Amino acid sequence: NAGVTQTPKFQVLKTGQSMTLQCAQDMNHEYMSWYRQDPGMGLRLIHYSVGAGITDQGEVPNGYNVSRSTTEDFPLRLLSAAPSQTSVYFCASSPDRPPQPQHFGDGTRLSIL
Amino acid sequence: RKEVEQDPGPFNVPEGATVAFNCTYSNSASQSFFWYRQDCRKEPKLLMSVYSSGNEDGRFTAQLNRASQYISLLIRDSKLSDSATYLCVVNTGFQKLVFGTGTRLLVSP
Repeated sequence: NAGVTQTPKFQVLKTGQSMTLQCAQDMNHEYMSWYRQDPGMGLRLIHYSVGAGITDQGEVPNGYNVSRSTTEDFPLRLLSAAPSQTSVYFCASSPDRPPQPQHFGDGTRLSIL
Repeated sequence: RKEVEQDPGPFNVPEGATVAFNCTYSNSASQSFFWYRQDCRKEPKLLMSVYSSGNEDGRFTAQLNRASQYISLLIRDSKLSDSATYLCVVNTGFQKLVFGTGTRLLVSP
């Protein structure tokens, strides 16, 4: 049982490039979310989804898009990478909405040059 | 004022010591409280929920003080493996989780 799987684990991009961070879970969880973690700041919610076909914005959605075509997958797209998006990105899932405990993937470390 | 505030530490303690962390929250309507543990360059993992009456899980005790709006985590008989960052997490309602910046604990031999 893999839990929450994120790919890639590391990525370096140039300003203006686009890319997709992948997230997949095999626990049949309805709720999935993306967070970013920056030094000196708590995890901040980017986007979340309460089920297939339903997504919504979190605290810091600008510059990111998401979709949820299946229960398992919740990719995060950076439309035009900026240095301010350099961060560690975590995908999380739970059977239902918070405050249910979140199961996190092991993160994607992204650097934008 | 931040919604959730934690002393960043680090707290340096010897093995076997007892250490306690506090976390304050600003929203009096907050409903649920948690401690997560995050090892260096790893993902956060749920350590324990915090119940109104306080709760214990082995060497770990969590308490909630709604009047003063803080939660605490007490670790007894610290082990080297307890070295990590401890994140305070508060459900402020509307299915929103707010994460603190974390308190770093270093346990030395």
